[in-house]
Amino acid sequence: EAQVTQNPRYLITVTGKKLTVTCSQNMNHEYMSWYRQDPGLGLRQIYYSMNVEVTDKGDVPEGYKVSRKEKRNFPLILESPSPNQTSLYFCASSLFGPLNSPLHFGNGTRLTVT
Amino acid sequence: EDKVVQSPLSLVVHEGDTVTLNCSYEVTNFRSLLWYKQEKKAPTFLFMLTSSGIEKKSGRLSSILDKKELFSILNITATQTGDSAVYLCAVIDAGGTSYGKLTFGQGTILTVHP
Repeated sequence: EAQVTQNPRYLITVTGKKLTVTCSQNMNHEYMSWYRQDPGLGLRQIYYSMNVEVTDKGDVPEGYKVSRKEKRNFPLILESPSPNQTSLYFCASSLFGPLNSPLHFGNGTRLTVT
Repeated sequence: EDKVVQSPLSLVVHEGDTVTLNCSYEVTNFRSLLWYKQEKKAPTFLFMLTSSGIEKKSGRLSSILDKKELFSILNITATQTGDSAVYLCAVIDAGGTSYGKLTFGQGTILTVHP
């Protein structure tokens, strides 16, 4: 089944403890992206990747890192999480980017930073 | 900076009512507008609108785009409790890239009571 898989689904952590949220897609998509969703703010793009080893900042990249060493994986790294990064995170992928092909979303990761 | 504004932010109706959700936008290089439905997990795609005045329809849901006035509406007729969800509007900015940029609105929370 074609899908975008995020793990974990729920995560509670403490300020400053490094964490990684994984994202994997099995559709051979070139484009992958991370969003965070907060009440009243909709989905905001954190980082995106156009292909292996090619990444760029979205609208809210501060406090996050990403890597794209393989086409299928696009992990989101929080080196030193803070409470303002408590949010619902979505990974998404698209064959060639939203201009040409629809986005497929993962089921989300709800992160709480205390 | 691209901007997408949805209204109302929340709406409570009873089964059988008809609702209209609004989305206005400011985009530098508009390509398309999309509607998504989100029920406690990943957003699912409803419609993509590229041309003005052409209604897209799927069952009880329909949507139309006005590129002159820069807005779109999503209509749901004969609402059911299963229509309760967050409805997201997003626009694609073709920009200077080959992959495009997707900007989301805040979402409209629709609650349908039996």
